[in-house]
Amino acid sequence: AQSVAQPEDQVNVAEGNPLTVKCTYSVSGNPYLFWYVQYPNRGLQFLLKYITGDNLVKGSYGFEAEFNKSQTSFHLKKPSALVSDSALYFCAVRDGDNAGNMLTFGGGTRLMVKP
Amino acid sequence: DGGITQSPKYLFRKEGQNVTLSCEQNLNHDAMYWYRQDPGQGLRLIYYSQIVNDFQKGDIAEGYSVSREKKESFPLTVTSAQKNPTAFYLCASGDLGGGMYNEQFFGPGTRLTVL
Repeated sequence: AQSVAQPEDQVNVAEGNPLTVKCTYSVSGNPYLFWYVQYPNRGLQFLLKYITGDNLVKGSYGFEAEFNKSQTSFHLKKPSALVSDSALYFCAVRDGDNAGNMLTFGGGTRLMVKP
Repeated sequence: DGGITQSPKYLFRKEGQNVTLSCEQNLNHDAMYWYRQDPGQGLRLIYYSQIVNDFQKGDIAEGYSVSREKKESFPLTVTSAQKNPTAFYLCASGDLGGGMYNEQFFGPGTRLTVL
């Protein structure tokens, strides 16, 4: 079975400070990892993904994520937070070695950026 | 929200009634998905379809039904057998070409409330 954990329900950060939203995963095969963002009463928007290659992945809106195989983590980061980054963030994983597996989402982390 | 539309945006249902949520995509994607979102629980997969006239149960299919008569459309019916249908429902689509590492694109969602 595959699973994703987002250990923080909410992350608070001041505008201009760096932010990190944590994600750890568990899969039996090679992980395909995704980050999505959701604004209130909207659908999810894709931010970035890791499939293979460089452990540091760059995505939309200045976000990046670092894949760490030994720690089974895929934390989302941004060097300087904006108030407009305030939203709900979801990490998701799929087992890349099992074509029948679907995406499994974490419970989400609410990011609050204060001016 | 890409090329995926969901209607209606808000839906109210009396207990014992069936309701159908619409999902249409113009992205020419083979795969379509229905998720349910509850506060603090992330997204859970209800049904998915990878080809016309074929669909598979997800993790929480009980009380729901779907059809896939056209590539562009994947309506979800919430039946009276669904014991707790009040939730935010999200439709997504994805390109299966090249493997299962492509991201999914989400519609804006339908908020269903049972009165």
